[in-house]
Amino acid sequence: RKEVEQDPGPFNVPEGATVAFNCTYSNSASQSFFWYRQDCRKEPKLLMSVYSSGNEDGRFTAQLNRASQYISLLIRDSKLSDSATYLCAVNYGQNFVFGPGTRLSVLP
Amino acid sequence: GAVVSQHPSWVICKSGTSVKIECRSLDFQATTMFWYRQFPKQSLMLMATSNEGSKATYEQGVEKDKFLINHASLTLSTLTVTSAHPEDSSFYICSARDIFNTGELFFGEGSRLTVL
Repeated sequence: RKEVEQDPGPFNVPEGATVAFNCTYSNSASQSFFWYRQDCRKEPKLLMSVYSSGNEDGRFTAQLNRASQYISLLIRDSKLSDSATYLCAVNYGQNFVFGPGTRLSVLP
Repeated sequence: GAVVSQHPSWVICKSGTSVKIECRSLDFQATTMFWYRQFPKQSLMLMATSNEGSKATYEQGVEKDKFLINHASLTLSTLTVTSAHPEDSSFYICSARDIFNTGELFFGEGSRLTVL
C-alpha cells in the first residue's frame, strides 16, 4: 500500500459545480497535512494546511479525519481557473510525502 | 512569505555533460532541503533529502554518484546531474521547510532539463 493515496481522477466538472477530493495516508504518526495545487509545468504551491478542526478559505474547505486517516478538500462554485492537479501532502518528522495528485478540469 | 529560488529554470545540454541546479532559501534558513523529479503527467518523485553539513539521504533507486547533492550552507543546496543522458530529461524541483516558523514546505520554481 502506498503511503499516500488519492482519488485517481481526472475530474471533469462544469463551472459552478462542487467537487471533493479525498486522500488517505498510512502512517498514523503523521503530524501535519497539506493540500497543494500544481499547474501544468509549474511547481506545486501551497493551497492550504489542514487542521484537526477543519478549515475553510473562501470556496475551499479542508477536513482531517485522524481516526480514518484521510483528508479531504472541497471546492465550491468551481471556476475555470481551478483547473489544476491537486496534491495532498503528509508530514511526519522531516519526511514529507506527496500523493500522486488528482487532476481537475473545470469546463465552461 | 518565505521563498525558495531555483536556478536555472531551463537548461538544454548535450549528452555526457554535467548540469548543476541551485536551490536557495531566500529569507529563511533551511537545514533540510528536498529534491524531486517529475516526468510529464506523473507525480512528484522524491530523489533525496539534502542535509546541511552532512551527506544527502537518497531514495531507493536513485544513484548517488549520478545525482550529486551538496548542501554547503543553510540557504543553498545544489544538485548536479553528472554525465547526463536523454532519459535524465525531466522537471527537477527543490523544496525547503521553514522549520523555525510554520513548518510549511516551499518549492522552488523548478528546473526543466532537456538532454540532447
